[in-house]
Amino acid sequence: EIVMTQSPATLSVSPGERATLSCRASQSVSSNLAWYQQKPGQAPRLLIYGASTRATGIPARFSGSGSGTEFTLTISSLQSEDFAVYYCQQYNNWPPVTFGGGTKVEIK
Amino acid sequence: QVQLVQSGAEVKKPGASVKVSCKVSGYTLTELSMHWVRQAPGKGLEWMGGFDPEDGETIYAQKFQGRVTMTEDTSTDTAYMELSSLRSEDTAVYYCATLEYEAAAERVYYYYGMDVWGQGTTVTVSS
Repeated sequence: EIVMTQSPATLSVSPGERATLSCRASQSVSSNLAWYQQKPGQAPRLLIYGASTRATGIPARFSGSGSGTEFTLTISSLQSEDFAVYYCQQYNNWPPVTFGGGTKVEIK
Repeated sequence: QVQLVQSGAEVKKPGASVKVSCKVSGYTLTELSMHWVRQAPGKGLEWMGGFDPEDGETIYAQKFQGRVTMTEDTSTDTAYMELSSLRSEDTAVYYCATLEYEAAAERVYYYYGMDVWGQGTTVTVSS
């Protein structure tokens, strides 16, 4: 099973600043990596798939990069609605599909 | 556009079973790769299983093998997830979600993440 590790667990950022979230896979997942945003009481929302392709309707301030085992989600200028928990997920070698433990982006 | 609507909250006693439904609209169930993901209170996302379009079979996470059954009623475009022998650790929000894919050629499939999610069903296991 591929283990996904996200860092940091919590990221404190001021509105308007840049946020950089990391995700590491225990073995290569090629570019079969997705990022999700989850707000309290809501279902996750797909932000990025294929490591770097924004899903429909996702603002351009969200960008993904990386391949193999190292991935990054960057939010270029945090808006108030971006404070949430973010999960990475690999679907390269499934089953199983596996998620990272999440990074909480909170207001500094 | 696909929409998923799940059944309502459930309260069950330890040892019982629960069956959660996920009604599809906008597409037919046979066109989708339906999966189930759960989230315990304050915890992360955990994949339980889903339909593998390459093999045409439903695959379960090893952790839930023998306790979970995922079925589909194509006449009503409704997916079901049944979890048996419930224990307190099964208290969670259960989501259905579609894994978008493309069958590019024989045995060549591309996947694009879980793009549509149900609203979640809270299952509480308590004596």
